[in-house]
Amino acid sequence: DIVMTQSPLSLPVTPGEPASISCRSSQSLMHSNGYNLLDWYLQKPGQSPQLLIYFGSNRASGVPDRFSGSGSGTDFTLKISRVEAEDVGMYYCMQALQTPVTFGQGTRLDIK
Amino acid sequence: EVQLVQSGGGLVQPGGSLRLSCAASGFTFSNNWMGWVRQAPGKGLEWVASIKQDGSEGYYGDSVKGRFTISRDNAKNSLYLQMNSLRAEDTAVYYCVRSSNWAFNYWGPGNLVTVSS
Repeated sequence: DIVMTQSPLSLPVTPGEPASISCRSSQSLMHSNGYNLLDWYLQKPGQSPQLLIYFGSNRASGVPDRFSGSGSGTDFTLKISRVEAEDVGMYYCMQALQTPVTFGQGTRLDIK
Repeated sequence: EVQLVQSGGGLVQPGGSLRLSCAASGFTFSNNWMGWVRQAPGKGLEWVASIKQDGSEGYYGDSVKGRFTISRDNAKNSLYLQMNSLRAEDTAVYYCVRSSNWAFNYWGPGNLVTVSS
């Protein structure tokens, strides 16, 4: 199974400041189609998760442009350029290259 | 507007069975892979199963393989998860998800399944 490791696990951020979450996979997530099959999800308190980023760097429909994804192979990063209060919640990376599909442990983003 | 309406959760005894349903609307259901993801109380996300557009292939997480069966009825725009031989560790909120570009781009509201005597 592909193991997904996120860091940090807890991220307190001051509103307006940037934030960054790292996700590493135990093997390359590059598919033969040329895309990295790495997604980022946000689960706000009391809500279902929502897709933020797919293919490692493509923003999902309706996602604010302060969210960006980067990386390739085994190392990926989710960046929030200026954190807003509505960004609090659990952030998960997920690999879809092979089954079983696996998620990272999650990163809790809180407002300082 | 894409909608995933879930039903079928509840309390069941260990060893029992339960069937979850997910009624989809707002998109051409037969065009998308569909799946189930669960979240145990206070824990992270765990992929359960996914099924191909025509229902010919299903894939499962190791913890549910041989006990759970994913299926779909494209004529009814519905996804199902038949859960047998339930264990306490299957207690979780189960989310119906739609796949696109290998990502889960729509999530249902979730259904709580509690396995307890």
